[in-house]
Amino acid sequence: EAQVTQNPRYLITVTGKKLTVTCSQNMNHEYMSWYRQDPGLGLRQIYYSMNVEVTDKGDVPEGYKVSRKEKRNFPLILESPSPNQTSLYFCASSSSGITYEQYFGPGTRLTVT
Amino acid sequence: GDSVTQMEGPVTLSEEAFLTINCTYTATGYPSLFWYVQYPGEGLQLLLKATKADDKGSNKGFEATYRKETTSFHLEKGSVQVSDSAVYFCALRHTNTGNQFYFGTGTSLTVIP
Repeated sequence: EAQVTQNPRYLITVTGKKLTVTCSQNMNHEYMSWYRQDPGLGLRQIYYSMNVEVTDKGDVPEGYKVSRKEKRNFPLILESPSPNQTSLYFCASSSSGITYEQYFGPGTRLTVT
Repeated sequence: GDSVTQMEGPVTLSEEAFLTINCTYTATGYPSLFWYVQYPGEGLQLLLKATKADDKGSNKGFEATYRKETTSFHLEKGSVQVSDSAVYFCALRHTNTGNQFYFGTGTSLTVIP
């Protein structure tokens, strides 16, 4: 089954404790992206990647890191989480070319206390 | 730059009512246009898309027509059901901006029996 998986689905952590949210897709997509969703703010893009070893900042990259060492994986790293990073996070992937849609993961709900 | 504007929500309708959710975009050239739906507690999934002017996307009774002259992609359904209660996002993807996706802020729809 074609899918985007994220882990963990739920995470509660404390300020300053490094964490990684994994994202993996099995569709051989070149394009991958991370978003955060907050009430009243819609989806905001954090980082995206057009292919292996190619990443770029989205609209809200501060406090986040990513890497793309393999085509299927695109982990999101919070090196020193803060309470304002409490949010719902989505990973997505897509083929290149503007006619292709994104496929979204199920989301990771992160709470930073 | 490129952007998407959706009508503000929330929208509440009675079952079998007609639905319109407005979406307009700002972009040069010919982006692809998408509607995504997010059911409670889930990730986003593609509802329909249109990749060139005058194309009509349709799925599950929903329709939207790509209107270049009015830069619009309004979502419509003739008779909504309780199961259509969800958040709807309009989005565009464009070569002019590196194949990036731009999302509207989302419109919450509640259908009451």
